[in-house]
Amino acid sequence: AQSVAQPEDQVNVAEGNPLTVKCTYSVSGNPYLFWYVQYPNRGLQFLLKYITGDNLVKGSYGFEAEFNKSQTSFHLKKPSALVSDSALYFCAVRDRGSTLGRLYFGRGTQLTVWP
Amino acid sequence: DADVTQTPRNRITKTGKRIMLECSQTKGHDRMYWYRQDPGLGLQLIYYSFDVKDINKGEISDGYSVSRQAQAKFSLSLESAIPNQTALYFCATSDSGTVSYNEQFFGPGTRLTVL
Repeated sequence: AQSVAQPEDQVNVAEGNPLTVKCTYSVSGNPYLFWYVQYPNRGLQFLLKYITGDNLVKGSYGFEAEFNKSQTSFHLKKPSALVSDSALYFCAVRDRGSTLGRLYFGRGTQLTVWP
Repeated sequence: DADVTQTPRNRITKTGKRIMLECSQTKGHDRMYWYRQDPGLGLQLIYYSFDVKDINKGEISDGYSVSRQAQAKFSLSLESAIPNQTALYFCATSDSGTVSYNEQFFGPGTRLTVL
């Protein structure tokens, strides 16, 4: 079975501080991993993905994520948070060996960055 | 995303009514998906379609039906709406023809309220 866990419903950080949004996954094979962001009253927007290669992936708006196979994690990070980063963040996984090719999403983590 | 459009954006209806939510895309993608989003539950997959002749049930298909009228159009129907179908509904697309084909692109969402 494939699944994603985002252990924190909410993350609060001060502007200028580093932020981390956690994600762990479970797949039967090797994963494709994704992060999406949802701003209020908007659809989900793609942030970054891990397909293969370098474990550190850089994405939009200064975000990055590190794939850790041994810990089955794909945490989202940013060195210096902005108030405008406040949004709902979703991690998603797909087993690259699956013929169905569908994504499984976590429940989301609400990030709040205060001034 | 302007490339994926959903109509209507908001709908209030009564229990027992038939409702159709429509999704259109100009991205030329072959794969289309319907999700519902409930607070604290993240995104749950209702139905997905890998091409016009291939439609698959997701985790929560009961009470819903879909129609893939063309590659660019994927409609979701609630035959007899009930209050616990009140949610935010998203359509998404992806392209099977690229390495990262499961990067999904989302519409702006339809907020459905069933009274």
